[in-house]
Amino acid sequence: NAGVTQTPKFRVLKTGQSMTLLCAQDMNHEYMYWYRQDPGMGLRLIHYSVGEGTTAKGEVPDGYNVSRLKKQNFLLGLESAAPSQTSVYFCASSYSNGPYEQYFGPGTRLTVT
Amino acid sequence: QQPVQSPQAVILREGEDAVINCSSSKALYSVHWYRQKHGEAPVFLMILLKGGEQKGHEKISASFNEKKQQSSLYLTASQLSYSGTYFCGTDSYGGATNKLIFGTGTLLAVQP
Repeated sequence: NAGVTQTPKFRVLKTGQSMTLLCAQDMNHEYMYWYRQDPGMGLRLIHYSVGEGTTAKGEVPDGYNVSRLKKQNFLLGLESAAPSQTSVYFCASSYSNGPYEQYFGPGTRLTVT
Repeated sequence: QQPVQSPQAVILREGEDAVINCSSSKALYSVHWYRQKHGEAPVFLMILLKGGEQKGHEKISASFNEKKQQSSLYLTASQLSYSGTYFCGTDSYGGATNKLIFGTGTLLAVQP
């Protein structure tokens, strides 16, 4: 089992460009999450999903959109990247009807210039 | 509101003990603890629930004071492998979404 995988691992964008980050899990988890991690700020929840076809906002959703068309995939989109979105992005997944541990992917380091 | 962790950083010698605290202004259903090594993903340590139940993979002890909305992680006889940043994640929603609000972390450095 690969667990939680994220693509790409690194990306550099120019201000105003768009991109999509892909998260995939092979553990049949219902719940999936997107976090961003900035120095001194810890992990902050961007969006999350409690099942295929459902998404909800987290603490810092502005500037991001998400989709969960398939149970195993959770996509995070940046429509018009800004330097403030420079961060490390982590995806996580968990079983439902918790609480359960969250399994994290390896992260994507995004730089917006 | 993010939970508050203390201390922000601590340096230990191998074999010494440390306590990391996590405090929330909201009523808590559960508290989760994770450890993250530099450049890696966070890794689950344990969950503490209201009522005293605990779930965890490692031989790490922790406490959860529901009335004070506080949790503490106890690292005893520290090893070099304990080094990393420790995060608490709090759930005030009853576990329905497993949604967590994480603290800003406590950096632990264990030296030989």
